[in-house]
Parts: sequence; structure tokens; C-alpha cells
Amino acid sequence: AQSVTQLDSQVPVFEEAPVELRCNYSSSVSVYLFWYVQYPNQGLQLLLKYLSGSTLVESINGFEAEFNKSQTSFHLRKPSVHISDTAEYFCAVLKAGNMLTFGGGTRLMVKP
Amino acid sequence: GAGVSQSPSNKVTEKGKDVELRCDPISGHTALYWYRQRLGQGLEFLIYFQGNSAPDKSGLPSDRFSAERTGESVSTLTIQRTQQEDSAVYLCASSLAGLRAGELFFGEGSRLTVL
Repeated sequence: AQSVTQLDSQVPVFEEAPVELRCNYSSSVSVYLFWYVQYPNQGLQLLLKYLSGSTLVESINGFEAEFNKSQTSFHLRKPSVHISDTAEYFCAVLKAGNMLTFGGGTRLMVKP
Repeated sequence: GAGVSQSPSNKVTEKGKDVELRCDPISGHTALYWYRQRLGQGLEFLIYFQGNSAPDKSGLPSDRFSAERTGESVSTLTIQRTQQEDSAVYLCASSLAGLRAGELFFGEGSRLTVL
């Protein structure tokens, strides 16, 4: 079975600084990759996904993630964060025909 | 509405009582998940239903927990003889199959408090 590791449980960062939230997965077969976000006191929602094609995918609010097959990673990045990006971010992996598996989550804390 | 609906939104119960939580997935979604999220914690997988296949119950923490799903519609999560450590938000999510299988739509959750 595949597993997903988010190495950082918390990432504090100052506003307008760049950020990278790390995600690594283990699978010997092709997978689909996702990032979900949970803003304070809200439900989870899909942020972005990689299914195929270009290895760099973007969200509408400036986040991007790059699929790196050789490193089995799907790190989430943003060049300049806002206070409003404070949230819990979950990486997830799906192997065809299986269920979605989530990582443990990373709490992004943006400070003024 | 067109989203995933969960009820009750809040439930306060006494230790030892049974509770039943309900999830109405989006119509046409073949996959349904239950998760538990304790305060300030990540998602704890409980159970997964996919179409008419046998559910994956590997995440249920004890035999006090059980879940059923009627076809590809409503699901109920039952917790028997509740304990204080069962206090959490219980989240339900549903998705389509195939390439859309990773696009989960979450409900607002059922917040359970066991006194």
C-alpha cells in the first residue's frame, strides 16, 4: 500500500516570505497526487492535483506543486505568502483503483 | 443542496451511550469515506466504501465502531458505548470513480462531545 509522509508538522513563516511544504510518497506504481487545504474552522477542500502531463501544477491562489518521480515528491510552494494562507495543508496520493491516502498534515502559520 | 450533508452537526452525549452519525453523499458519487479529526490533529481514516465492493474497515479503532452504506447513497457511522476519547469531529467525504477518484468533497462534519 502507498503511504504519504509530510515531514513538517508545523511551518511558521513571516508574511511575504516564500514557503515550501514537503510531501513524499511511497509507491512502485504510477499515482495521482493532490494537496488539500483546511482553513481555520472550515472543511477540507481540494487545492490542486497532478494526474498526468506537466509536472508543475498551480492553484488559483498562487500555490504550485511539482511532481518529481525520481524523488517521489510532490512539494507545495508559494513565493510570497499572505496571512490568509494560514491553514492546515494535507498531501494525498491515489493509486488507480484504490482509495485516497492522506499525509499527516502540515500547519502553515503565517506571521505579520 | 448539492454538497455532502452530515447530521447532526453537533452531538453531546454521555459516556456509555450509543451515537449514530449520518452522511448523505453527492448524488452519483460511488466512493464514500469516514474520517475522524481530533482537535488540532490530522485526519484519521476510519472506513472506505466503493460501489458494491466490500468496505475497507482497516481504520476503525475498535469494535465499538461500525458503519453501513445503503447502495451508493446514505451512510451511517455508529459508535457504541461512547468513551471520552471518541470526542472529535467526524468527517464524511465522497467522490466519483476513475480519474476523479482523488477529488473528495467533504461535509462540514459532525462534532461529537462525550461527557
